[in-house]
Amino acid sequence: DAGVTQSPTHLIKTRGQQVTLRCSPKSGHDTVSWYQQALGQGPQFIFQYYEEEERQRGNFPDRFSGHQFPNYSSELNVNALLLGDSALYLCASSLVGTPGGVFFGQGTRLTVV
Amino acid sequence: GQQVMQIPQYQHVQEGEDFTTYCNSSTTLSNIQWYKQRPGGHPVFLIQLVKSGEVKKQKRLTFQFGEAKKNSSLHITATQTTDVGTYFCAGPGTVSGGYNKLIFGAGTRLAVHP
Repeated sequence: DAGVTQSPTHLIKTRGQQVTLRCSPKSGHDTVSWYQQALGQGPQFIFQYYEEEERQRGNFPDRFSGHQFPNYSSELNVNALLLGDSALYLCASSLVGTPGGVFFGQGTRLTVV
Repeated sequence: GQQVMQIPQYQHVQEGEDFTTYCNSSTTLSNIQWYKQRPGGHPVFLIQLVKSGEVKKQKRLTFQFGEAKKNSSLHITATQTTDVGTYFCAGPGTVSGGYNKLIFGAGTRLAVHP
């Protein structure tokens, strides 16, 4: 049973560029959330997708957008990258209505230079 | 907005000593979750507490949820080098349409010296 998988694991981009990160949720899960974790900080909620719609959004600018596909996988897109976007981006999956925690992927380490 | 705070930020202990991290929320929580993140790894779910005053144990780890459901603690007895990592508490944020987000504390980083 595969857990949450994310790709790529590492990425280096230049300021102003655009990036797409990908996530496949744990088998049987239907909800995907994205988090940004800066060095030495706790994960910060970006947004959550269920049934291919954005259901909740954190305090992130519109440069951050996402998508969920019919197979529950998800993408996070960031436009016009800033140096401050350098962070570990974590995807978390869960099953709606099921109590308990979420399952995180190993993350994508994004470096903006 | 809603905030979740953790103390201490860092804790260095000798192997065999006990360790405690504390979590406080600015609002009453419906539940509190704890996660562990090993160095270079990703957060891993440990436990969820739901009831006021609830205490749960996992081997050497004891988790408590405060009576007012605004604070929580994690206590590790007789730490081992395998306990090294950052421990995060997280509470559900504003519920919207039945969906909620997790608000994480900044974490407590535990170092264990053999």
